[in-house]
Amino acid sequence: AQSVTQLDSHVSVSEGTPVLLRCNYSSSYSPSLFWYVQHPNKGLQLLLKYTSAATLVKGINGFEAEFKKSETSFHLTKPSAHMSDAAEYFCVVSGFMNTGFQKLVFGTGTRLLVSP
Amino acid sequence: DAGVTQSPTHLIKTRGQQVTLRCSPKSGHDTVSWYQQALGQGPQFIFQYYEEEERQRGNFPDRFSGHQFPNYSSELNVNALLLGDSALYLCASSLEGRMNTEAFFGQGTRLTVV
Repeated sequence: AQSVTQLDSHVSVSEGTPVLLRCNYSSSYSPSLFWYVQHPNKGLQLLLKYTSAATLVKGINGFEAEFKKSETSFHLTKPSAHMSDAAEYFCVVSGFMNTGFQKLVFGTGTRLLVSP
Repeated sequence: DAGVTQSPTHLIKTRGQQVTLRCSPKSGHDTVSWYQQALGQGPQFIFQYYEEEERQRGNFPDRFSGHQFPNYSSELNVNALLLGDSALYLCASSLEGRMNTEAFFGQGTRLTVV
């Protein structure tokens, strides 16, 4: 079965400083991995996805993530935080159900706080 | 493109009542999945519909049921509501037949059971 572990429930940064949100995954298959962002009272928006192409994935709003198989990690980074980045971030693995179809398995989320 | 739309956005129900939530998928998408997101938690998979059939369900009781219509829209029904059913219910649509397909989410329905 697939699972993800988000290592920090909260991360606080100052505006203009780098962001690092950590995620480890477990998968029996070559995984597909995603990062989604959820702003307050909003739905989920896809930031980026890894699907076995390049290990460094670039997403929207300046975010990047690097797939490291040896470390089973998929950490999300951004060089310079903006106030609008404050939100809940979810690391997600695409897992196969016993029917052979896929479902998304979410981590517990990391709340990013950005101070001026 | 309107994306994934869900209705209603909020509702309040009493314990024991029944509720129906609705979802219209993104244009061109034929697969709908439902997720429950309790406060402070990540979304949990409820079930998935394709070709009007429930393909698989997560660890949710039979009180949770659904339906998909020929136009791919979907409903989530919850019977005999419990206080613990209070959550944000998210609908996601995707396109069948594409590996690692991106799922698009609606803004959710916030259900409060009192």
